Amino acid sequence: QSVLTQPPSVSGAPGQRVTISCTGSSSNIGAGYDVHWYQLLPGTAPKLLIYNNNNRPSEVPDRFSGSKSGTSASLAITGLQAEDEADYCCQSYDSSLSGVVFGGGTKLTVL
Amino acid sequence: QVTLRESGPALVKPTQTLTLTCTFSGFSLSTTGMCVSWIRQPPGKALEWLAVIDWDDDKYYNTSLRTRLTISQDTSKNQVVLTMTNMDPVDTATYYCARMPAAGVFHYYGMDVWGQGTTITVSS
Repeated sequence: QSVLTQPPSVSGAPGQRVTISCTGSSSNIGAGYDVHWYQLLPGTAPKLLIYNNNNRPSEVPDRFSGSKSGTSASLAITGLQAEDEADYCCQSYDSSLSGVVFGGGTKLTVL
Repeated sequence: QVTLRESGPALVKPTQTLTLTCTFSGFSLSTTGMCVSWIRQPPGKALEWLAVIDWDDDKYYNTSLRTRLTISQDTSKNQVVLTMTNMDPVDTATYYCARMPAAGVFHYYGMDVWGQGTTITVSS
């Protein structure tokens, strides 16, 4: 049971927009700790997609965006492409656990 | 260019101690705000954070694994070492190290550069 809750799967057709939620609590996202998002592809190391809630590393396309409100955060992907099919995972810090926490991951299927 | 590379035994026996080394380049762990974390991913499961060491040589651990983990650094070799005692088959996973810059203690920017990971199997 992950501290940050994500839907197990989402799907969308090429060109569509999808969002992936990350729900936390008052000891992590709700306490103001930043949320970061990673893309996980089989056999490769996780890739940082969004840091500090809504910032993109320079090499990440602007089709990826992040937001945060209250005890939740979201990753949005617009103009879906086949290459976006991957697992996506959120991460934050939890003051009750005094440590970094990850979401359980969401598998994105491009139909 | 920032790089990290994990190394360690591919196979360990139950009850043994695992020692993993993360060799990094392109940054200094002595720089204020710099941290290195260890993370693992069991087959088919989610990422799990294990430990972090920061620029002040402060160390923080996953509370559920705290009694089994030790993180340390060798500044002369640009290495971060993680030991995990009393290994069990459930510890079978790919283990990663990652750079994790921070604005301050507990205010991390996210893990921006990862090693390629090393797969550890625990079996007799």
